[in-house]
Amino acid sequence: GAVVSQHPSRVICKSGTSVKIECRSLDFQATTMFWYRQFPKQSLMLMATSNEGSKATYEQGVEKDKFLINHASLTLSTLTVTSAHPEDSSFYICSAPHWGNSYNEQFFGPGTRLTVL
Amino acid sequence: AQSVAQPEDQVNVAEGNPLTVKCTYSVSGNPYLFWYVQYPNRGLQFLLKYITGDNLVKGSYGFEAEFNKSQTSFHLKKPSALVSDSALYFCAVRALSGNTPLVFGKGTRLSVIA
Repeated sequence: GAVVSQHPSRVICKSGTSVKIECRSLDFQATTMFWYRQFPKQSLMLMATSNEGSKATYEQGVEKDKFLINHASLTLSTLTVTSAHPEDSSFYICSAPHWGNSYNEQFFGPGTRLTVL
Repeated sequence: AQSVAQPEDQVNVAEGNPLTVKCTYSVSGNPYLFWYVQYPNRGLQFLLKYITGDNLVKGSYGFEAEFNKSQTSFHLKKPSALVSDSALYFCAVRALSGNTPLVFGKGTRLSVIA
């Protein structure tokens, strides 16, 4: 199957700093990528849809100025958590859909564990 | 709008016994249905999917799921549970058309007891 990578896998930062998370589709092009957030013992909640060449679409309740998304190329989307605070600590997972042909599924990165002190 | 319901927060089963993790869905039109498993501090692992074809779908690690359109269900099953199956299981759905993201259920924690 197709592979999606995420970097870093784990990050610890001080409150007020910004953190950038990269999501790459390694062997296919993804004009769209999805960013999810998962709090402990909870489900994955869609934060935003990242679109190559255009602005991201944010879900209701997600602050676009706090969670900056840039879809720089057909294989790279980045999520920057600006001025992070302890309540932003979570597990962030990106995903790239590969609909059609032989895949027909959404491929997930391994996730990034963010801890804000 | 799409939605998924996993009515059980926790399922306990003895090793060697059959297991079922329930899922019902709501979507406009025909659905894509998925099951994923998540181990502690890890990402999602794909188990199986239903798009079209046979209602009984076989997936990884001996798991299978049955699509029931009339009951809008897609329950996950395994004939004989292993302790190593203990994990968090997510059902997900998306509409067949359009580039829409998967919508996940809240998850069911499976505990297989030796």
